[in-house]
Amino acid sequence: DAGVIQSPRHEVTEMGQEVTLRCKPISGHDYLFWYRQTMMRGLELLIYFNNNVPIDDSGMPEDRFSAKMPNASFSTLKIQPSEPRDSAVYFCASSGTRGGIYEQYFGPGTRLTVT
Amino acid sequence: SQQGEEDPQALSIQEGENATMNCSYKTSINNLQWYRQNSGRGLVHLILIRSNEREKHSGRLRVTLDTSKKSSSLLITASRAADTASYFCATDVDYGQNFVFGPGTRLSVLP
Repeated sequence: DAGVIQSPRHEVTEMGQEVTLRCKPISGHDYLFWYRQTMMRGLELLIYFNNNVPIDDSGMPEDRFSAKMPNASFSTLKIQPSEPRDSAVYFCASSGTRGGIYEQYFGPGTRLTVT
Repeated sequence: SQQGEEDPQALSIQEGENATMNCSYKTSINNLQWYRQNSGRGLVHLILIRSNEREKHSGRLRVTLDTSKKSSSLLITASRAADTASYFCATDVDYGQNFVFGPGTRLSVLP
């Protein structure tokens, strides 16, 4: 298995532009998580899905952030408009509950820089 | 507020020494996990310990859990330079699949 795949790996954009981050979870996993990591705030959960349905989006900073999971193999995190304070590393992770396995598998992350 | 808090924030040791990191949490949990993050990479799951377990081993890793003190420790024995990374504990929220990660311990193993 290729693991969790994220794209792009690096994104540099100007303030006000729309940014779309993409994630392909591990096949068969029914949970998908989006995290943001910064030096100041550490690793923060933004939103997570179960069977493609958003369960908890209380970590989404504001309305500029939105996430979708149209099918079991794809999710997007969109920031519109982007701001410099959105600069961070964004991680996608997936997990499966079959057999009670809870560990999360993380993608390599997308390093976002908003200038 | 974060559920898990690691201690110390940073730790520097010589290769071959043991490294111990601690995690404290506030509310009851169903299980606790430890993850490692190498610089510039995603987190990697190391070990999971359930609330009814007191100790678990995986290779050079030993994890203990004391639910009465709401704390866990991760011991890495005979450390290697390759163990240099940040280590995070994660505790489940409301006994679900959602986990809260602590701020992490940065471990430096000097050759």
